[in-house]
Amino acid sequence: DTAVSQTPKYLVTQMGNDKSIKCEQNLGHDTMYWYKQDSKKFLKIMFSYNNKELIINETVPNRFSPKSPDKAHLNLHINSLELGDSAVYFCASSQDWASGGYRTQYFGPGTRLLVL
Amino acid sequence: GNSVTQMEGPVTLSEEAFLTINCTYTATGYPSLFWYVQYPGEGLQLLLKATKADDKGSNKGFEATYRKETTSFHLEKGSVQVSDSAVYFCALREDTGRRALTFGSGTRLQVQP
Repeated sequence: DTAVSQTPKYLVTQMGNDKSIKCEQNLGHDTMYWYKQDSKKFLKIMFSYNNKELIINETVPNRFSPKSPDKAHLNLHINSLELGDSAVYFCASSQDWASGGYRTQYFGPGTRLLVL
Repeated sequence: GNSVTQMEGPVTLSEEAFLTINCTYTATGYPSLFWYVQYPGEGLQLLLKATKADDKGSNKGFEATYRKETTSFHLEKGSVQVSDSAVYFCALREDTGRRALTFGSGTRLQVQP
């Protein structure tokens, strides 16, 4: 019954490794997002996909690559992990991106990434 | 660009005290405004929202009014409980363009018994 789910919930890895975080939503939404929350709790948009099309790509290192196989899934792949990538990554989804900004975004539980 | 400014925390209150967390915003268009709450170790949950000027959002005893003239969306609750201890985020979402959420820095609320 979970609306927006992410796996894994925790991820501890060594510098230089490549890792992926998966996100799935069962709300029938057409837009999905990745946000990064740093150690000071500040949240910032990274990417957004609408119907599998990339619509937001913030100033994020190209080691981060989102992939949307279908509109219910948005995965985040990170190459060559660095210490500064340690953060909590949140996936979110919303309905009907084209209709305006009033639609609520629903968030997943977060993935806590720790790079050693 | 858009921005959201929240009062810095932590805010420490005794149970049953009145809560105000200030939030002001800068936006080029007509955004929708949101308050999200993050309980310890959990993800973000929508607390309330308002989509146009003078709208009041309310939920679980919390309320906030969209004030276009002062570009504010202050969060209030008449009587806080220990279970309200969390981090509260004010956010806006543009009506056009990117339509991603722009968040404030978050305000930690600690309620003591």
